[in-house]
Amino acid sequence: KAGVTQTPRYLIKTRGQQVTLSCSPISGHRSVSWYQQTPGQGLQFLFEYFSETQRNKGNFPGRFSGRQFSNSRSEMNVSTLELGDSALYLCASSSGQFSGNTIYFGEGSWLTVV
Amino acid sequence: GIQVEQSPPDLILQEGANSTLRCNFSDSVNNLQWFHQNPWGQLINLFYIPSGTKQNGRLSATTVATERYSLLYISSSQTTDSGVYFCAVLFRNSGNTPLVFGKGTRLSVIA
Repeated sequence: KAGVTQTPRYLIKTRGQQVTLSCSPISGHRSVSWYQQTPGQGLQFLFEYFSETQRNKGNFPGRFSGRQFSNSRSEMNVSTLELGDSALYLCASSSGQFSGNTIYFGEGSWLTVV
Repeated sequence: GIQVEQSPPDLILQEGANSTLRCNFSDSVNNLQWFHQNPWGQLINLFYIPSGTKQNGRLSATTVATERYSLLYISSSQTTDSGVYFCAVLFRNSGNTPLVFGKGTRLSVIA
């Protein structure tokens, strides 16, 4: 069975632009979460979606948004990019709610803002 | 507040050596997983282990939930074991709070 797929893997954007990252969870998984990883802050939670509903949101500015589609695929968008948004963005999926279920991560999307 | 602390932060081993990584957590948990982050950034599942002991080849893990810690054992280490090891916890009494990650242990295995 295919794992969690994230696209694009690498991208370079200019300050002020926006970016959309995509995540396809493991087939049958309905729960998707997003994390940002930077050297200074470690892994920080962005959003969690379950059956198209946002269940939880991390402490990030409104420039960061996300959504989940009926097929469980998820996208996150960052508008008005800043240099500090340069990071590895990781998507995770689980068959149900995270409690009691193994969580699987994709390979991540490396975003560089110049 | 809820916390996940990993130790040591850095570890350098000679190939073939054994090691123990530790994860302390501040409250009861519903979910605890160990991950290995490879040089390309992907987090690879090692164990789902909110309690008890599991083994997978040269790796094993033990979580003592009542004492709020988990240990990851790596035996006969290989250079491919290098990378960062993360412990991630879902706390039982935190409502919908997502997984909380420790800061990781960076392991370097030298040939």
